Amino acid sequence: KNEVEQSPQNLTAQEGEFITINCSYSVGISALHWLQQHPGGGIVSLFMLSSGKKKHGRLIATINIQEKHSSLHITASHPRDSAVYICAVRSDTGNQFYFGTGTSLTVIP
Amino acid sequence: NAGVMQNPRHLVRRRGQEARLRCSPMKGHSHVYWYRQLPEEGLKFMVYLQKENIIDESGMPKERFSAEFPKEGPSILRIQQVVRGDSAAYFCASSPQGPVGYTFGSGTRLTVV
Repeated sequence: KNEVEQSPQNLTAQEGEFITINCSYSVGISALHWLQQHPGGGIVSLFMLSSGKKKHGRLIATINIQEKHSSLHITASHPRDSAVYICAVRSDTGNQFYFGTGTSLTVIP
Repeated sequence: NAGVMQNPRHLVRRRGQEARLRCSPMKGHSHVYWYRQLPEEGLKFMVYLQKENIIDESGMPKERFSAEFPKEGPSILRIQQVVRGDSAAYFCASSPQGPVGYTFGSGTRLTVV
């Protein structure tokens, strides 16, 4: 079983829809990251969370430490949001990072 | 600020050859992390380095793989005697202080033929 589980694996949405991607983890963490990997392969760090909620433009990330769960929300989705979104957690016992296998998002015009 | 620079972007090696992947961290970043993304799989941690020191190499295969981050110059991930199973995308990330302010490079795609 992976330390980090994401759902859904694949997601297709119409432009303008509200999107939610979920991440659950089973280890103690010091921080959780949401990453975006574009079709060309480059990776961008979107958020780093240790508690609560963060917002950047149309992206919102939340984390519930007690439930070991985080969500990434995209409001008013756009085709340029099409990418793979990866949840990653840093273990609180060392330098180890664990990654989810990603959610592939396609936003259709 | 050029970001994290990885080169080459694409690397083709024959089985048995050596592959050297380079990562230049962002200016002011002294922590470097290497990750491997196998086809159809997620990212896996390989090694964490600070200048001239390996901090955590728990994700590195025991044989053929090595990493360094010298006082001057880029971090190097070296794979000796490559095999087909080494074909993957190798990503480097850097940060100024531990895994905070993390920035990824664009990756090196290694193909072993």
